Amino acid sequence: QVQLQESGPGLVKPSETLSLTCTVSGGSITTSYWTWIRQPPEKGLEWIGCIYYSGTTNYNPSLKSRVTMSVDTSKSQFSLKLDSVTAADTAVYYCARGQLVPDDWGQGTLVTVSS
Amino acid sequence: EIVLTQSPGTLSLSLGERATLSCRASQSVTNSYLAWYQQKPGQAPRLLIYGASTRATGIPERFSGSGSGTDFTLIITRLEPEDFAVYFCQQYGTSPNTFGQGTKLQIK
Repeated sequence: QVQLQESGPGLVKPSETLSLTCTVSGGSITTSYWTWIRQPPEKGLEWIGCIYYSGTTNYNPSLKSRVTMSVDTSKSQFSLKLDSVTAADTAVYYCARGQLVPDDWGQGTLVTVSS
Repeated sequence: EIVLTQSPGTLSLSLGERATLSCRASQSVTNSYLAWYQQKPGQAPRLLIYGASTRATGIPERFSGSGSGTDFTLIITRLEPEDFAVYFCQQYGTSPNTFGQGTKLQIK
């Protein structure tokens, strides 16, 4: 079982870019797909997308125009960038291991979009 | 995208009772690629079931999943205190993966 830890700003201004990093420990980043999922306050879960260590990505079409994921194997980290954020992007953002059925999750980090 | 509708929205039961949670898909879920997660307040979701009926590692036998096509069920027999939480279903047979809105299982 790997451990995942999200990090990044908890407050982002509207129209700016949300940037988060997930650090993987207790296992190799080169053996799995890595996923980002978000959960608006008091709401359900939304799959954002996933990335393989090689850089192959798969994004949710509803967010594809604004999302960029990347991976840094030397640091055992993968990252999420979400452009042109609005209040609707306020959510707890989770990083997780697995392409289709994430089985190890980070604790999540709340990102609030507000001026 | 496939829309998952979970029912009931809230389920109130007592310790030791049996819980039956439903997840209905707007179209057939490919290969029964349906998972269930448990989420407690302030925590990340925990994978319970995948492939509609396969328990994830370390999940107690009182959790069982069934179903195919568009109708899926999670059953929890003999409810224990730690089972009261929110449960989400997820389909991963058709991209994008989608989740249901959740069923809150609360103590009666």
